[in-house]
Parts: sequence; C-alpha cells; structure tokens
Amino acid sequence: EVQLVESGGVLVQPGGSLRLSCSASGFTFRSNSMSWVRQAPGRGLEWVSFISDSSRSIYYADSVKGRFTISRDNAENSLYLQMNSLRAEDTAVYYCARVVGAYRQTYFDYWGQGTLVTVSS
Amino acid sequence: QSVLTQPPSASGTPGQRVTISCSGSSSDIGISTVNWYQQIPGTAPKLLIYKNNQRPSGVPDRFSGSKSDTSASLAISGLQSDDEADYYCAAWDDSLNWVFGGGTKLTVL
Repeated sequence: EVQLVESGGVLVQPGGSLRLSCSASGFTFRSNSMSWVRQAPGRGLEWVSFISDSSRSIYYADSVKGRFTISRDNAENSLYLQMNSLRAEDTAVYYCARVVGAYRQTYFDYWGQGTLVTVSS
Repeated sequence: QSVLTQPPSASGTPGQRVTISCSGSSSDIGISTVNWYQQIPGTAPKLLIYKNNQRPSGVPDRFSGSKSDTSASLAISGLQSDDEADYYCAAWDDSLNWVFGGGTKLTVL
C-alpha cells in the first residue's frame, strides 16, 4: 500500500525557516518523481515544487522561487522541502504527492495527509 | 486567482447528473491532459480522473471526464450524498508549472 507521511509543520515567525519531510513507503520511491502541493486555510490547491526521480529536474512555483528548496534522499525514501524567508501567505497545509507520467501527461496519484505550517508573529 | 476557471459551486439532488466545468487556455489545458481531484473537507485530495477521462482503480464509473480544446468537464451521474465534496481540475502548463482550478463545492440537496 502506498503511504506518504508528512511531518515538520509548526508555528513559525515571519522571516523564519522550516524543513518539511515526507516519508514514503509501499512503492519504489527512487523511481518516482514527487511534488509538494499546498492549501491555504479555506482556499484551493496550489502546486509548490517538483523533483524528478534522480533530482535532475527541479521546478518551483513563482510564489516560492528563491525561498524554498526541494530535495530528496532515495536511500531514505524521503522527500524534503526547505522553506526560508517565510511569509504569512505561506500559511497552509502542505501535501506531498507522488507524480506519475511526464510533463503534459502528469498527474498526482497519491497524496499524504498533509502537515500544517502557520507563519505568524 | 487560479489559472484554471471553475464555478465555485454546484448542486444536485440524489440520482441526478451534474457537470463541473474547467476552463483554461492554449498554454495549459490546450497542451496538456486534465486531471480531477476530489477533496472531502478535512482530508487530503484524492485522484478521481486522470489523462482527461481515465478512472483510477476503485473510482466508480459514475464519474467521467472529458476535454475539448482549452476546456474540460467532470460529470457525476447517479449523484449520491457522499459525493458531496470539493472538486479540482488540474493541468500542466508551458511554464513548467502544474496549475489547479479554484475548486467547485458540490452540494447534494
């Protein structure tokens, strides 16, 4: 059974940093691309970042570019999101999701339960 | 402001057929397949339709998807009370981003 479990979400002050983790099991992690998707309270889904299976391809939404860094450790079956210079508008539930397909035909087939990041003073 | 446009709400009575639209552009839906996600409040999104009209294992055939040019639709037939949820369309765009619609809240009356 595919499982994705996020952790690391906490209350952090504006300008602060945080590292989210996503532990994967039930599939061959090193063979799949992964993404982070977030959802602000009462709002819709927003894609944040993508990393290919080998980490060779990495993309970011404009809203987080230069502040967030996605990475992965295939030996540990783990995905990470380093979040720096956090702003109030980064407050959201952050989901990790498994990516299937390539570019024009990609989709997110499994999602974790999410971890809440709150940026507030 | 979401890149893909969905109606904020939709409704129907049990047994009815409802459709939810998703409008995009030549930079996203026009060059990409469309996927649909169902989210029951307080839970994670769940893949409902992928590659325009494919259903993952376990998704009832009451759910169907279609795409034409720069728009897509999700149809739910034989509406049931547990279909009440938020529905999101999604696609890839030519800026190497994945974009979502703003979501449609479906109410079963």
